[in-house]
Amino acid sequence: EAGVVQSPRYKIIEKKQPVAFWCNPISGHNTLYWYRQNLGQGPELLIRYENEEAVDDSQLPKDRFSAERLKGVDSTLKIQPAELGDSAVYLCASSLFSSSYNTEAFFGQGTRLTVV
Amino acid sequence: AQSVTQLGSHVSVSEGALVLLRCNYSSSVPPYLFWYVQYPNQGLQLLLKYTTGATLVKGINGFEAEFKKSETSFHLTKPSAHMSDAAEYFCAVRSTNFGNEKLTFGTGTRLTIIP
Repeated sequence: EAGVVQSPRYKIIEKKQPVAFWCNPISGHNTLYWYRQNLGQGPELLIRYENEEAVDDSQLPKDRFSAERLKGVDSTLKIQPAELGDSAVYLCASSLFSSSYNTEAFFGQGTRLTVV
Repeated sequence: AQSVTQLGSHVSVSEGALVLLRCNYSSSVPPYLFWYVQYPNQGLQLLLKYTTGATLVKGINGFEAEFKKSETSFHLTKPSAHMSDAAEYFCAVRSTNFGNEKLTFGTGTRLTIIP
């Protein structure tokens, strides 16, 4: 069974340009997370979806970041315009319903974004 | 609010020696606790987790961790280090409150194994 699939793996863009990341979660997983991992840091949650509903987007910088999860499956995270400080690894994860005590989040390999 | 503190951003041990990675957490409610491992240019892989029941939990690759409520700790250990254990390790906490299920990670500990 395929795990969480993210694309692209690497992206280099100039500042002020837009960029988008795509995530395909594990089949059947209702919960999808986007995390940002800065160099030398732990991942920080940007947004969490339960099916197609964003249930926690309190850490998403809404002036330039947007996300969607149409039909409750694939998800796209967009940055427009990108800033130098957005350089990081963007991780997608999925799990069964997050309210289950025995749930586990499975992570994709991430997209490494470099803004120059 | 919840938080995780990992003591020591870098830990080096000799091959065959004991591995001890420290994690302390803060949570207003009983937490769920996790250890993840990250190899270079890879995503995070779950090593082990504590949710309920036995406080000593065993994970993959010979790792184990013990939940100590009185010390608010969840240290990760392995009796004998192997070269393949070299990686970054993240401790994470998750609230048991419904509606607040996000994982909060520590800043990570990079483990180096000395041949």
